[in-house]
Amino acid sequence: AQSVTQPDIHITVSEGASLELRCNYSYGATPYLFWYVQSPGQGLQLLLKYFSGDTLVQGIKGFEAEFKRSQSSFNLRKPSVHWSDAAEYFCAAGSSNTGKLIFGQGTTLQVKP
Amino acid sequence: DVKVTQSSRYLVKRTGEKVFLECVQDMDHENMFWYRQDPGLGLRLIYFSYDVKMKEKGDIPEGYSVSREKKERFSLILESASTNQTSMYLCASSPGTTNTEAFFGQGTRLTVV
Repeated sequence: AQSVTQPDIHITVSEGASLELRCNYSYGATPYLFWYVQSPGQGLQLLLKYFSGDTLVQGIKGFEAEFKRSQSSFNLRKPSVHWSDAAEYFCAAGSSNTGKLIFGQGTTLQVKP
Repeated sequence: DVKVTQSSRYLVKRTGEKVFLECVQDMDHENMFWYRQDPGLGLRLIYFSYDVKMKEKGDIPEGYSVSREKKERFSLILESASTNQTSMYLCASSPGTTNTEAFFGQGTRLTVV
């Protein structure tokens, strides 16, 4: 069965520290991969996406993600976290011909001053 | 910018009521989706639609139905609301082409009492 797993439910980092959020997928073929962010009470905003080509993808707000086929992973990184990055982050996988997405459970990021 | 608008941010309904959640997108997208978001479960697909008057079940369609009479509007219907349908509901749309992402509305937080 297709699935997306985010192993970390909560992560706390200090402001200015680096961040890595993990995402693993199980899919029949190489899926399209996405990271979304959700601030409290808001909808989902796309951070970045991977369809093909360069496996290191740059997104908005200084985020990047690396697709590793051998590990079925698509981890999200940021070199220096800001207090405004505190939010819930979702990894998702989808197929090109349907647009349907399968989401991970989400990771809540808390940023300490 | 793509805009996906959900008619209500918050709703409180009684058990047994028929509930309508409305979603409108302004970018002539082919695909529209309804997801349900619960803590620790991420987003789960309820129904989606590829075209007007067309619908397909997602992963958790029980207790729900949908209507898409016009391309820009996709309604989620709870035929007889129950307390276990208390949740955040997110509408999304995407173009019918490849290499694109889904755009999300702000969400409707539904409480069934």
